[in-house]
Amino acid sequence: GAVVSQHPSWVICKSGTSVKIECRSLDFQATTMFWYRQFPKQSLMLMATSNEGSKATYEQGVEKDKFLINHASLTLSTLTVTSAHPEDSSFYICSASLNLEDEQYFGPGTRLTVT
Amino acid sequence: AQSVTQLGSHVSVSEGALVLLRCNYSSSVPPYLFWYVQYPNQGLQLLLKYTSAATLVKGINGFEAEFKKSETSFHLTKPSAHMSDAAEYFCAVSDSSGTYKYIFGTGTRLKVLA
Repeated sequence: GAVVSQHPSWVICKSGTSVKIECRSLDFQATTMFWYRQFPKQSLMLMATSNEGSKATYEQGVEKDKFLINHASLTLSTLTVTSAHPEDSSFYICSASLNLEDEQYFGPGTRLTVT
Repeated sequence: AQSVTQLGSHVSVSEGALVLLRCNYSSSVPPYLFWYVQYPNQGLQLLLKYTSAATLVKGINGFEAEFKKSETSFHLTKPSAHMSDAAEYFCAVSDSSGTYKYIFGTGTRLKVLA
């Protein structure tokens, strides 16, 4: 149980375009989802926390207008990278939990390359 | 504020030798502590977690970790390394009241030598 999927697993886009990444909890209802970013050979950095039906809470230094997060249902959260630039290239990982205080279950990640 | 320090960004052990990956934490409230493993281009897999129950926690694949409050440590061990253990390992802390955010350490890359 507690499976989280991400789609796509990898994506290449051109500079200036937008790309959407989906995070789904397959066998449980996730009230809370988290989005992380991981640069090569580095740790995971929390970008934002999203609760179903409400606006996401962004970490300091994360541009909310650039990284749009939507958590419209209990099983789906999306991260849209708008006007992508090469520096946005990274590995994006989501996690989901039943409630804020519960254990997070991590997705397999999405590799974004902006050319 | 919480923080996690993983000593040693790279650790090499011989196959069959003891694995010891170090993690120290800082937290003003009782912490939840986690160890995750990450294989290349993959997400995180939970190895084990401490949530204020038994201080010696057993996880998957033969790993275990001991919570030592006096030393603010949560080191990960495995008696005998396998080649398949070669991966990146992350320690994470979450406060048990409040934001519940996970703060990750910088990771330790484990290399297993034949």
